Amino acid sequence: GAGVSQSPRYKVAKRGQDVALRCDPISGHVSLFWYQQALGQGPEFLTYFQNEAQLDKSGLPSDRFFAERPEGSVSTLKIQRTQQEDSAVYLCASSSGGMGTGELFFGEGSRLTVL
Amino acid sequence: AQSVTQLDSQVPVFEEAPVELRCNYSSSVSVYLFWYVQYPNQGLQLLLKYLSGSTLVESINGFEAEFNKSQTSFHLRKPSVHISDTAEYFCAVSGGSNYKLTFGKGTLLTVNP
Repeated sequence: GAGVSQSPRYKVAKRGQDVALRCDPISGHVSLFWYQQALGQGPEFLTYFQNEAQLDKSGLPSDRFFAERPEGSVSTLKIQRTQQEDSAVYLCASSSGGMGTGELFFGEGSRLTVL
Repeated sequence: AQSVTQLDSQVPVFEEAPVELRCNYSSSVSVYLFWYVQYPNQGLQLLLKYLSGSTLVESINGFEAEFNKSQTSFHLRKPSVHISDTAEYFCAVSGGSNYKLTFGKGTLLTVNP
């Protein structure tokens, strides 16, 4: 596609439910990132993939968070047993380079609300 | 580790007035610096970046930012704003690994007629 596509755009979950957020990066982009943006804050790094390899997952807040990119294109961010503090916008970004120079292309985000 | 401080959370200005959005960073390594913009109901877009070379960088829509190493700043300026510039602006830094961006909390620029 022309840009980074994320789905769903909005998700309401009851506390304790599992959720899965999908990201379709720009075709051919090697690098894929997930960021979490809480209300009133800037995006915070969660994890980084280069093709199918997850090279950095240091930003994942707990072991309830899991991300995968099995074929080096589409990625899924899964949150198990959601908690209220997980409420945020989850942003996916991609870039054409490997160790990039910061020119990331962002999707519109998936807004997760945990009740 | 890096950090970014955007000193103003909101900046209201009138159309055609000049504006400066302030950004200061800290890092123990050399950095790349960025400004991203988020228009209402849209995703983040790269506005401009400093990687190396000239410390003054410009965007296609009239914004400019100057990298000041001694003051660890990367302020964003525009001499005359338009209503269409209303958006949230995020300053970001990467260093060391070069792939992990650290963002500030953002500055909401509101341009009024």
